[in-house]
Amino acid sequence: GAVVSQHPSRVICKSGTSVKIECRSLDFQATTMFWYRQFPKQSLMLMATSNEGSKATYEQGVEKDKFLINHASLTLSTLTVTSAHPEDSSFYICSAPRAESGPEAFFGQGTRLTVV
Amino acid sequence: GNSVTQMEGPVTLSEEAFLTINCTYTATGYPSLFWYVQYPGEGLQLLLKATKADDKGSNKGFEATYRKETTSFHLEKGSVQVSDSAVYFCALSAGAAGNKLTFGGGTRVLVKP
Repeated sequence: GAVVSQHPSRVICKSGTSVKIECRSLDFQATTMFWYRQFPKQSLMLMATSNEGSKATYEQGVEKDKFLINHASLTLSTLTVTSAHPEDSSFYICSAPRAESGPEAFFGQGTRLTVV
Repeated sequence: GNSVTQMEGPVTLSEEAFLTINCTYTATGYPSLFWYVQYPGEGLQLLLKATKADDKGSNKGFEATYRKETTSFHLEKGSVQVSDSAVYFCALSAGAAGNKLTFGGGTRVLVKP
């Protein structure tokens, strides 16, 4: 099946710094990718839709200046958590649909962010 | 809007027991339905899916049938193993292919030997 790779899998950063998370579709092109956030023992909440070559679409309540999304190529989307704070600590996971696979979404491995 | 409701966990079972996780949904149109599984410390993996009414998705001994009349997609497995311990998410995708997913709250399953 399709493969989506997310990097890094774990990152620890200091408060006030920025962290970049990459999401790559390895064997297909993805004009759209989705970024989710998962709080401990909770479900996944969609943060934003990343669109290749255009601005991301953010869900209500998500700060676009804090969570910068860039989708510069058909195989790469990045999420940058700017000026991170401890409350940003969470599990971030991306997904990408592949046109040939219909409505199924393929997920990356996720990134565990800890802000200290 | 779209929503997915699934039974809260945790669900604790003995090995070889029967597992059912209830899932109901609300959506406009005709959504596709999914069950994803998340093993400890990992991302999500697609377990099974169904794209139209009365379809049955199956994989690794798990089954779920798309019931339009009851707007449900309950997950079942006849004999669980310790390795089935994970969090299970019911989800739907409505609209055009590649649309975003709406997830249920997740159900943690713990299978004891």
